[in-house]
Amino acid sequence: QQQVKQSPQSLIVQKGGISIINCAYENTAFDYFPWYQQFPGKGPALLIAIRPDVSEKKEGRFTISFNKSAKQFSLHIMDSQPGDSATYFCAARTGGGNKLTFGTGTQLKVEL
Amino acid sequence: DTAVSQTPKYLVTQMGNDKSIKCEQNLGHDTMYWYKQDSKKFLKIMFSYNNKELIINETVPNRFSPKSPDKAHLNLHINSLELGDSAVYFCASSPSRSSNEQFFGPGTRLTVL
Repeated sequence: QQQVKQSPQSLIVQKGGISIINCAYENTAFDYFPWYQQFPGKGPALLIAIRPDVSEKKEGRFTISFNKSAKQFSLHIMDSQPGDSATYFCAARTGGGNKLTFGTGTQLKVEL
Repeated sequence: DTAVSQTPKYLVTQMGNDKSIKCEQNLGHDTMYWYKQDSKKFLKIMFSYNNKELIINETVPNRFSPKSPDKAHLNLHINSLELGDSAVYFCASSPSRSSNEQFFGPGTRLTVL
């Protein structure tokens, strides 16, 4: 059972464009929604995160939009750069042990 | 300064063997985790320890046994390795069991032949 669904599986964006990755969840007990960035051969690293009582969070070129009623959230990368090329994972946390459930990942490639 | 380190980085072994992966964090964190990332990059939690106490134990075969000798170390021992165990295993840590961020190690790529 995939509790966090992520799309698209892969994404190609031109330099300077906007990258958008979408996630949907089912479990209303999730209380924290992070996005992790993973470069080849490396472990995932926290990029940005949001709590369900906030509809949007922006950090530099990265923005999370959160729609609690629809149980959906998305990552927007503005002015995408080749250095942003990586795999992005959305996740959702259930409390009591800090258990993260990850989406299936989106491989982003930003072309010149 | 390495925050979360894993050894070895690569592990190639035959089916049926027993192997261990070691993880150490020098961040002073109380909580540590093991994740499995399969060939499709799907990342799934396996175990979590908080101050040497097991707090998350997902549906993982009994062949997998985590051991935490102290709160800075969380090792993963795998018995009777199977082809399907081939994956990248990530260790992670967080300041506490309620902390937001988890810090991941570089991963150990296990290949079972």
